[in-house]
Amino acid sequence: GIQVEQSPPDLILQEGANSTLRCNFSDSVNNLQWFHQNPWGQLINLFYIPSGTKQNGRLSATTVATERYSLLYISSSQTTDSGVYFCAVEPVTGTYKYIFGTGTRLKVLA
Amino acid sequence: DTGVSQNPRHKITKRGQNVTFRCDPISEHNRLYWYRQTLGQGPEFLTYFQNEAQLEKSRLLSDRFSAERPKGSFSTLEIQRTEQGDSAMYLCASSLISSTGWTDTQYFGPGTRLTVL
Repeated sequence: GIQVEQSPPDLILQEGANSTLRCNFSDSVNNLQWFHQNPWGQLINLFYIPSGTKQNGRLSATTVATERYSLLYISSSQTTDSGVYFCAVEPVTGTYKYIFGTGTRLKVLA
Repeated sequence: DTGVSQNPRHKITKRGQNVTFRCDPISEHNRLYWYRQTLGQGPEFLTYFQNEAQLEKSRLLSDRFSAERPKGSFSTLEIQRTEQGDSAMYLCASSLISSTGWTDTQYFGPGTRLTVL
């Protein structure tokens, strides 16, 4: 089945710093989402981005479907950005389930 | 629109007991998904429904697990004869698929954290 790998696995930033999180996937996908899982376990939608670029405030994301990767950019990080970031993909195999990546655990220090 | 809700939020049970979780999706969503997440891992797909039909089940869903969505609205996930390995966060998500097959974003509920003693 499709493999979804995220890097880096762990990231520690000082408040105000910028960062780039990467998601690589091994096969073609219909859909891709980025999520932020907060310390209480809630998965919060960040972007629905099967291709192209989107921006929402300090966050932006780019997916290059032909090269099978997606990037999540966080600018001017804040302590509330801490948590785990997941990308999830829907493979082009006629199934509609999401396969989640391994996650990037981000800690932003004040 | 109140989002996806799940009940209970936490459940502690003894090994061998049966437990049932409930998920209420976003009202107009016709797709409902169940995932399981263990500590330090990403969520893993268990099963999904389109309206009341269960269309796919993961191999993770042993015969002790059963899920229903009787009227195409809320769903229940039951685990019989719980084992310590069933301890995990159980997540529900919903989405809308159009008649042309276009799928919208999956929205997740807050999860039910199960602890089996």
